[in-house]
Amino acid sequence: GAGVSQSPSNKVTEKGKDVELRCDPISGHTALYWYRQSLGQGLEFLIYFQGNSAPDKSGLPSDRFSAERTGGSVSTLTIQRTQQEDSAVYLCASSGHNSGNTIYFGEGSWLTVV
Amino acid sequence: KQEVTQIPAALSVPEGENLVLNCSFTDSAIYNLQWFRQDPGKGLTSLLLIQSSQREQTSGRLNASLDKSSGRSTLYIAASQPGDSATYLCAVSNSGYALNFGKGTSLLVTP
Repeated sequence: GAGVSQSPSNKVTEKGKDVELRCDPISGHTALYWYRQSLGQGLEFLIYFQGNSAPDKSGLPSDRFSAERTGGSVSTLTIQRTQQEDSAVYLCASSGHNSGNTIYFGEGSWLTVV
Repeated sequence: KQEVTQIPAALSVPEGENLVLNCSFTDSAIYNLQWFRQDPGKGLTSLLLIQSSQREQTSGRLNASLDKSSGRSTLYIAASQPGDSATYLCAVSNSGYALNFGKGTSLLVTP
């Protein structure tokens, strides 16, 4: 597609439920990133995928968070047993294979845990 | 850990003014620095990317400078317009991929 596509755009879930957020990067981009933006806070790095290399998971806040990227393209971020503090915008981004390339963001998935 | 600070947090200017947004970072061993724009309820749009070996980048009315040794970058917006109203975010990469973001400057340009 023309840009990074994320779904759902909005999700309201009950505390304790699991949620899955999907990201479809720009075609041909080998690097894929997940960030989280909480109200009044800056963007927080979560995880980075580059090609077939092992992902950098250093930003995941707890073991309730996991992500995978299938076939080097689409990625899914899963949050298990959601808590109210997980409420945030989850932003996905992608970039080309050269490090230092411009990073392109999707419009985010707005998650509200009630 | 890289800390990125943006000043001011909010700025309101009348249309037509030139303005400067500031970004500072604590670890000068950066790979690159990127300025983004975020409109309410939207994702981020990349404005300018400066590699560590560069001093500035220009795009239209925007000019970004980088002084790596002092840990500073500025985004200069010439002849501001109401359509420039948005939050501007500075992000620094020490690794070539993961970005450390500031909390942004919220800009309002009034007609």
